Amino acid sequence: DTGVSQNPRHKITKRGQNVTFRCDPISEHNRLYWYRQTLGQGPEFLTYFQNEAQLEKSRLLSDRFSAERPKGSFSTLEIQRTEQGDSAMYLCASSWGQGPDTQYFGPGTRLTVL
Amino acid sequence: GNSVTQMEGPVTLSEEAFLTINCTYTATGYPSLFWYVQYPGEGLQLLLKATKADDKGSNKGFEATYRKETTSFHLEKGSVQVSDSAVYFCALTSPSGSARQLTFGSGTQLTVLP
Repeated sequence: DTGVSQNPRHKITKRGQNVTFRCDPISEHNRLYWYRQTLGQGPEFLTYFQNEAQLEKSRLLSDRFSAERPKGSFSTLEIQRTEQGDSAMYLCASSWGQGPDTQYFGPGTRLTVL
Repeated sequence: GNSVTQMEGPVTLSEEAFLTINCTYTATGYPSLFWYVQYPGEGLQLLLKATKADDKGSNKGFEATYRKETTSFHLEKGSVQVSDSAVYFCALTSPSGSARQLTFGSGTQLTVLP
């Protein structure tokens, strides 16, 4: 098991374009989380999946953001009509989901919106 | 809502010095508490955790004790090494709700000089 992987690692886009990121969690982890981290801050929760069901979304997740986990394995996060304020590191984490479980993080996708 | 307050950085120490990074929290009920570390160019890694009052988490010479009475989870290490240079994040998960997402502090940058 190689841990949580995320692709791409870096993405540069122009304002107004759509972008999509992918997260592959640790196999058999049923919980998957997306977080956003801006420079000098801790990660902030965006959304959570248990298996394929999206069970919780933060108020940070505007209508331009959508996330899916179609078969309960990998997940995608899409941002439509990107804005400069979307520039951040997008982190994915997964966990087994038993009690106070440990979340394992991927390396993140750094988005720069020009 | 839940929140985590961390000692502001950056912190610069000489090798073999004693380290304390303060962390206090606000949460309902009895959260689980975590310290994550982010080494340069790498993703977040769990350093240690504690799930109930008076528990002590420890790993790689680092320790933190869950203090319910002072709502604190301070990170300590008796003798730091250059390789400990990283950003340290205190975090919690709330026992209520299904998501159990992490709430992070803003991070403390530690630099250890030889």
